[in-house]
Amino acid sequence: AQSVTQLGSHVSVSEGALVLLRCNYSSSVPPYLFWYVQYPNQGLQLLLKYTSAATLVKGINGFEAEFKKSETSFHLTKPSAHMSDAAEYFCAVSDPGGSYIPTFGRGTSLIVHP
Amino acid sequence: GAVVSQHPSWVICKSGTSVKIECRSLDFQATTMFWYRQFPKQSLMLMATSNEGSKATYEQGVEKDKFLINHASLTLSTLTVTSAHPEDSSFYICSAPGDSNTYGYTFGSGTRLTVV
Repeated sequence: AQSVTQLGSHVSVSEGALVLLRCNYSSSVPPYLFWYVQYPNQGLQLLLKYTSAATLVKGINGFEAEFKKSETSFHLTKPSAHMSDAAEYFCAVSDPGGSYIPTFGRGTSLIVHP
Repeated sequence: GAVVSQHPSWVICKSGTSVKIECRSLDFQATTMFWYRQFPKQSLMLMATSNEGSKATYEQGVEKDKFLINHASLTLSTLTVTSAHPEDSSFYICSAPGDSNTYGYTFGSGTRLTVV
């Protein structure tokens, strides 16, 4: 069984500040990990993914995430927040040896203040 | 890249009526599609897996007779909410596996269903 825990339902930052969204996973096998972004009343857009290659993954819009097996974490970061980054962010895990269907975390709402 | 088109983006219907939501893969063939339900400020809950040419696989607790899924072609899956009630009001999202090089999933833009 797999699961994802996103710490903090809301994260608030100032424009230009560092963004850090936390994600910890639980998986009995080496997982695939994903971060998705959702804007209001829209579907999910893939930001980045980890599929057992490089542990530091770079995605779109300046986001990146680092896979840390020892900490079972896959935190999402961005050096400088932009107002347009305000959205809901979902971490997801899937089993590459199974169905690939992702299991989603509860989501973290990123709020960016001017 | 892979694009999934979902329609309608929003719909309001009266209690007791049925509503059909369509999900199309525009530039690729999807033998499998997934249907999710999302409550406000919550995560996505997988409702069912739609399989082209065969019956859908429903998650535990999802009423098969209420949420009818049809996957008649390699590019179209539909979700019909039958005899809708206010508690069925939610945001429904479809998804399809992307190409084999991404291992990611492509999502539709979602459908906001309001039952009055």
